[in-house]
Amino acid sequence: QKEVEQNSGPLSVPEGAIASLNCTYSDRGSQSFFWYRQYSGKSPELIMFIYSNGDKEDGRFTAQLNKASQYVSLLIRDSQPSDSATYLCAVKVGSSNTGKLIFGQGTTLQVKP
Amino acid sequence: NAGVMQNPRHLVRRRGQEARLRCSPMKGHSHVYWYRQLPEEGLKFMVYLQKENIIDESGMPKERFSAEFPKEGPSILRIQQVVRGDSAAYFCASSSGQGFDTQYFGPGTRLTVL
Repeated sequence: QKEVEQNSGPLSVPEGAIASLNCTYSDRGSQSFFWYRQYSGKSPELIMFIYSNGDKEDGRFTAQLNKASQYVSLLIRDSQPSDSATYLCAVKVGSSNTGKLIFGQGTTLQVKP
Repeated sequence: NAGVMQNPRHLVRRRGQEARLRCSPMKGHSHVYWYRQLPEEGLKFMVYLQKENIIDESGMPKERFSAEFPKEGPSILRIQQVVRGDSAAYFCASSSGQGFDTQYFGPGTRLTVL
């Protein structure tokens, strides 16, 4: 089992729709979770992080965390063509606040005009 | 504020040569992480450094790869005797070590080995 798993997609949604991106992780001790966006040929760009069970909203983005199910998701409301990118879920393993991130393979999102 | 800086952005080497990749963290950050992204693959952790110390090198290949973060100057990832399989994008991220220690990525160095 991979430490962090994502569906590679592509996930295709029409402009204006809600895009739902999912991620599961294997280390129950993980404390913090990050979503990065990566455009083709570019570097990862932080979108959000979450550490408490429940929802965290920032503009059109909502991160959801369920530690019991070891599941984290990212919702993008009112999807725009400019949201088309690969979305990377990252988990900081262990209980320390510092340390490496374990990334999923990423989900490619295509938003069609 | 300047973000994480990496240079060179593109590097071409022939098999057997050495590659040196540099990373300057964001102002106020003293933690540096190196990740590698092979073509069509995900980001993989390589090494985590603080000033003058290697904290975690569990992702570093055992041979040919080394990293340092001196008291003065940028962090350097060094690859000796490069092979074609080293061709990848190498990203550096930095963090403050505080709070949830969010990591911010530099633009990356694209290494091509001929």
